[in-house]
Amino acid sequence: DVKVTQSSRYLVKRTGEKVFLECVQDMDHENMFWYRQDPGLGLRLIYFSYDVKMKEKGDIPEGYSVSREKKERFSLILESASTNQTSMYLCASSSSQDRGRYGYTFGSGTRLTVV
Amino acid sequence: GQSLEQPSEVTAVEGAIVQINCTYQTSGFYGLSWYQQHDGGAPTFLSYNALDGLEETGRFSSFLSRSDSYGYLLLQELQMKDSASYFCAVRDQRGYGNKLVFGAGTILRVKS
Repeated sequence: DVKVTQSSRYLVKRTGEKVFLECVQDMDHENMFWYRQDPGLGLRLIYFSYDVKMKEKGDIPEGYSVSREKKERFSLILESASTNQTSMYLCASSSSQDRGRYGYTFGSGTRLTVV
Repeated sequence: GQSLEQPSEVTAVEGAIVQINCTYQTSGFYGLSWYQQHDGGAPTFLSYNALDGLEETGRFSSFLSRSDSYGYLLLQELQMKDSASYFCAVRDQRGYGNKLVFGAGTILRVKS
């Protein structure tokens, strides 16, 4: 069974902390994504990576950075956590060959609370 | 840019048929996708329409009209387990790769 695994299901961090969210996929997918999900706003793209060390900003990159040193792993970094970054964070992957027929595979999400 | 509109909530009874609409605005079009997300769970891919018409997968069907920039997800023989959020999505034309832009989601409540 193909999987996208997010390292933590729930996290509580303090304001100003540096936070690392980890995501690993076992499907050999080129594309990996970090989305943020908030009620009434749907899923908003934070960052996207289409290859190792390659990244592209999404719609809401401010306050975030990413790292992709290996194909299977995509990390989201909150440089200095703030309360407005309290949210559900979803990682996803897809094949670069897929034009939509197979869709994204999502992880189960990390619910981050910043206090 | 891209934007999608879908109803925020829909309620239906078990055994009924429900339709969740999605209208989109996009500078280029590469297809409309649908995802299901149960409360606390991961979104899962349901369907993809690149061409006009109806695609059927079991109790679920998805329709697309490119001329109307409109699609819908049709759920038949509703079951309690269909209670979930449903998101439509289109491909983001900006930059590189197959990034998706999602609608805000429709909460489907199935009542017995």
